[in-house]
Amino acid sequence: DGGITQSPKYLFRKEGQNVTLSCEQNLNHDAMYWYRQDPGQGLRLIYYSQIVNDFQKGDIAEGYSVSREKKESFPLTVTSAQKNPTAFYLCASSDYRGRSTEAFFGQGTRLTVV
Amino acid sequence: QKEVEQDPGPLSVPEGAIVSLNCTYSNSAFQYFMWYRQYSRKGPELLMYTYSSGNKEDGRFTAQVDKSSKYISLFIRDSQPSDSATYLCAMSFTGANSKLTFGKGITLSVRP
Repeated sequence: DGGITQSPKYLFRKEGQNVTLSCEQNLNHDAMYWYRQDPGQGLRLIYYSQIVNDFQKGDIAEGYSVSREKKESFPLTVTSAQKNPTAFYLCASSDYRGRSTEAFFGQGTRLTVV
Repeated sequence: QKEVEQDPGPLSVPEGAIVSLNCTYSNSAFQYFMWYRQYSRKGPELLMYTYSSGNKEDGRFTAQVDKSSKYISLFIRDSQPSDSATYLCAMSFTGANSKLTFGKGITLSVRP
């Protein structure tokens, strides 16, 4: 099945630790995105990448880092510099060059600081 | 003023009711308008997609865009318990396949 796979579904982080959230897509999409969702806050863009080896900061990039070494993979690292990392993280991808008009979302990773 | 404002809800209606969900926005450069549906603990899925002003209908769902008023709406006719979800409006400058700006979302509950 084509789609976006996020793992793990639930993740627990201790204070001061870095954690990496995985996002893989087999849709052959050029663009990939990371959003953060907090209760009552909608989705806010963390980072996005329109092509391999290139990415741009979104609205709330501080405390996060990404890489895009392969077209199908866009991992997000939540660093210890992110002061309030507990949230629901969503990865999305789209056919940026316009062959489709939809961004597809993964099922999310719920990160909790313990 | 936030770029996209959405009625906070929550909203509870009886089965069969007509539901109206609304968003306003401040940036007149937005050209593409979307409604996403998100079930609990799941990723959002695209429900409706509209370019510029006008109406678009898909089954029980109608999306309406009024660019002069910077106002978009989603109407759900004959609402069903399966419509119970969070509805997020989103908009972009260059299309649904680009970075999106979302409203905060409204949780809808349809009572049997």
